[in-house]
Amino acid sequence: GQQLNQSPQSMFIQEGEDVSMNCTSSSIFNTWLWYKQDPGEGPVLLIALYKAGELTSNGRLTAQFGITRKDSFLNISASIPSDVGIYFCAGQDPNYGGSQGNLIFGKGTKLSVKP
Amino acid sequence: DGGITQSPKYLFRKEGQNVTLSCEQNLNHDAMYWYRQDPGQGLRLIYYSQIVNDFQKGDIAEGYSVSREKKESFPLTVTSAQKNPTAFYLCASSTTRLGGKLFFGSGTQLSVL
Repeated sequence: GQQLNQSPQSMFIQEGEDVSMNCTSSSIFNTWLWYKQDPGEGPVLLIALYKAGELTSNGRLTAQFGITRKDSFLNISASIPSDVGIYFCAGQDPNYGGSQGNLIFGKGTKLSVKP
Repeated sequence: DGGITQSPKYLFRKEGQNVTLSCEQNLNHDAMYWYRQDPGQGLRLIYYSQIVNDFQKGDIAEGYSVSREKKESFPLTVTSAQKNPTAFYLCASSTTRLGGKLFFGSGTQLSVL
């Protein structure tokens, strides 16, 4: 199956630092989503992006839909201990799966924050 | 509260046994999905259903079966043919009005005894 390249795989940062992670694909996507997963729980949607070039914020989180439609990044500003978790990107490929296209997930970025 | 409920949270399977994971949603979503998650891996699609009484195989459907008799329910059976069933299983739902956004349940951890 298809996969996205998500990097970095893990990050260990100091509280208060900014964080940046990204995803790239060989396919053009029409939607990019960013999720956060806490241990033993299901992923929770953070930000959804629908247009190339779109820049969207949710509190301290900012995400952008790349102009080429093949990449996206997520930034977290002024990290806090509760930001710890695994962050997944997901892209919707209109040529994969059902009529609206299915999501393809990156392998995740594991974020650890030191107080 | 509206949401997706998965049960049980933890499940143990004996060799040769079939087990069924439950997924119920009260969000009135048309589409439902099952994903498998292994440590350090992304989510891999097992099966999905976009309408009642219809479902499609995902990337890793071998050894699994599903049914969609009701809009609210999409149970997953892990059969004895699945030789490596230990994983975290996630159910999700969506509707076309949400532009592809998936909403996930809290997952079921399946382990082999």
